[in-house]
Amino acid sequence: KQEVTQIPAALSVPEGENLVLNCSFTDSAIYNLQWFRQDPGKGLTSLLLIQSSQREQTSGRLNASLDKSSGRSTLYIAASQPGDSATYLCAGRWGSGGSYIPTFGRGTSLIVHP
Amino acid sequence: DAGVIQSPRHEVTEMGQEVTLRCKPISGHDYLFWYRQTMMRGLELLIYFNNNVPIDDSGMPEDRFSAKMPNASFSTLKIQPSEPRDSAVYFCASSSTAEREGLETQYFGPGTRLLVL
Repeated sequence: KQEVTQIPAALSVPEGENLVLNCSFTDSAIYNLQWFRQDPGKGLTSLLLIQSSQREQTSGRLNASLDKSSGRSTLYIAASQPGDSATYLCAGRWGSGGSYIPTFGRGTSLIVHP
Repeated sequence: DAGVIQSPRHEVTEMGQEVTLRCKPISGHDYLFWYRQTMMRGLELLIYFNNNVPIDDSGMPEDRFSAKMPNASFSTLKIQPSEPRDSAVYFCASSSTAEREGLETQYFGPGTRLLVL
């Protein structure tokens, strides 16, 4: 069974800092990896999706990379803002042709303080 | 569109009672997913439907859990009888194969917070 791990579980940084969130997975035959944001009391919002053929994806101040051989993905947040405070989850999908059953990490709870 | 709608938002019940969670997916979406989130186990997929038909229910924990989708605009997740260990946040999500990267672009509802005493 594939496992997805996110470290650290919690992170607190001052506003303006560049930061990296980590996601590791046990099976390098990954189909795609996705990063989500979850605000307190709300559902998940998709941020970035990286297919296995891609190395990275960018959206605004966010950049996600995928290294299948090392079993790692990182989410880079540039110039962090208090509004970035949330829990960030990564989810991997495996299986030929793409399985629609994602395996989620436990998330990293991020606080950006002014 | 109002997004994925879930009801109730909060539910407190006693052990042994039947619990029914409801979900209205985004109009036109052909996939519907039920998830459960707990501190201990994180976010887990319970079951998903395609065009109202259950495709994979391997995540359903046991026979006390059942899910139905009688039409394209409504789904229920039922727990009978409920137990304290069922306490969690239950999310419903929907997606559309008509969209680019549609199946991976799941739109989540706000969740139902269930507490079983």
